[in-house]
Amino acid sequence: QVQLQESGPGLVKPSETLSLTCTVSGGSISSYYWSWIRQPPGKGLEWIGYIYYSGSTNYNPSLKSRVTISVDTSKNQFSLNLSSVTAADTAVYYCARGSTAAERWGQGTLVTVSS
Amino acid sequence: QSALTQPRSVSGSPGQSVTISCTGTSSDVGGYNYVSWYQHHPGKAPKLMIYDVSKRPSGVPDRFSGSKSGNTASLTISGLQAEDEADYYCCSYAGSYSLVFGGGTKLTVL
Repeated sequence: QVQLQESGPGLVKPSETLSLTCTVSGGSISSYYWSWIRQPPGKGLEWIGYIYYSGSTNYNPSLKSRVTISVDTSKNQFSLNLSSVTAADTAVYYCARGSTAAERWGQGTLVTVSS
Repeated sequence: QSALTQPRSVSGSPGQSVTISCTGTSSDVGGYNYVSWYQHHPGKAPKLMIYDVSKRPSGVPDRFSGSKSGNTASLTISGLQAEDEADYYCCSYAGSYSLVFGGGTKLTVL
């Protein structure tokens, strides 16, 4: 059974870069799309972007200028970088397998943007 | 790219059926057969319940069904059970390799 686990700092200062990693276990990262999705406190889900294992990416147009998603097949990991963060980026960040249908999700990690 | 429109809340009694709507435009819901639905119990990972409008992943009860008409997709839950109480989100492909979620619907089982 494939499992996903997010990791990274829980607190990021305004204007800095949020960096998270998703480690995939129980299966290979190859031959799938991998997504990042977030949920601000009290709000709904927001799609951030996805990456194919080969490295091709697609991002939410509203975040595109600040987002980079990358993959490391040797470590079975993919990562999210979100630059110039503000309080509006405070959210639970989820990684997931799939693009149009996210079939497996991590438990999520809360990232708070605050000085 | 605006969020899809869902009712904020729906409710039903055990054994009844409820339907949650998800309204978009011809640029997302109406234009593609890539609508998915997720069940989210707070504090847990969301779970895929329906994909490609009406397909059920393995392990999802057949009490859950999806459909689409024009720019509106729907999730129907029949034979409501207490454990179905959760937040439900729709998601649609919106062209140019992008996705958009709905605002979410809180289902209360009375």
